[in-house]
Amino acid sequence: EDQVTQSPEALRLQEGESSSLNCSYTVSGLRGLFWYRQDPGKGPEFLFTLYSAGEEKEKERLKATLTKKESFLHITAPKPEDSATYLCAGGGSQGNLIFGKGTKLSVKP
Amino acid sequence: KAGVTQTPRYLIKTRGQQVTLSCSPISGHRSVSWYQQTPGQGLQFLFEYFSETQRNKGNFPGRFSGRQFSNSRSEMNVSTLELGDSALYLCASSISTGRAEQYFGPGTRLTVT
Repeated sequence: EDQVTQSPEALRLQEGESSSLNCSYTVSGLRGLFWYRQDPGKGPEFLFTLYSAGEEKEKERLKATLTKKESFLHITAPKPEDSATYLCAGGGSQGNLIFGKGTKLSVKP
Repeated sequence: KAGVTQTPRYLIKTRGQQVTLSCSPISGHRSVSWYQQTPGQGLQFLFEYFSETQRNKGNFPGRFSGRQFSNSRSEMNVSTLELGDSALYLCASSISTGRAEQYFGPGTRLTVT
C-alpha cells in the first residue's frame, strides 16, 4: 500500500535556528515527490517537485532533497513568517497525490 | 494569472441532504483533482478529471461523485450527507495528468449537522 509518513508532527524553532523536516515514502511507481506549504484556512501552496534521487531544489530559506526512500525539507535561519504546516506528497502511479499528515512548524521571534 | 477558485467557501448542511461544490481551474489547466482534508485523516484523494473524463478514483463511497465540463470547470457532489463528511474539500488543477504539479484552491469548508 502506498504510504507517506512525515516527522516530526510538530516542530518549534527559535528565529534563526535551522532544522530539517523528514518525509519517508513507499509509493509504487513514484511520479515525483511534492512539497507544499499550508497556512490555516487556506489551500496548500506548491513549493517543490523532485523526481530523481539526489535531486535538490531551493527557494529562499528552503531546500528540498530526495533519496530513494526519503525526502528532507531543510529550513535555514527560519523567520516567523515561515510558520505553517508543511505537507509532503508522493505522486502515485495513477496521477493522484498521496499525502503525509504534515509537520506543523512554529517559528518564534 | 488567476488561481484556482472554489465556490462556495463555506457550507452548512443537514444529515441526509446533498451538496454540490464547484471548482474553476487555472486557465489552460485541463486536469482537476478533488481532495478531502480532515484533522484525523489528512488529505485524501477523491478523484481526478481530465478532458471531461474521470481518470481515477480514490477509496470513497459512491455518494461522492463529480464531473467536468468542456471549459475544464468541475463540480463535486455528495449525496445523503453524513456527519463524517464534514471536512475541507480542496480542488487542485494541473496542466495535464500524471507528473504535473498540482495547484490548490482555497477549499470549501463543509459542515454537516
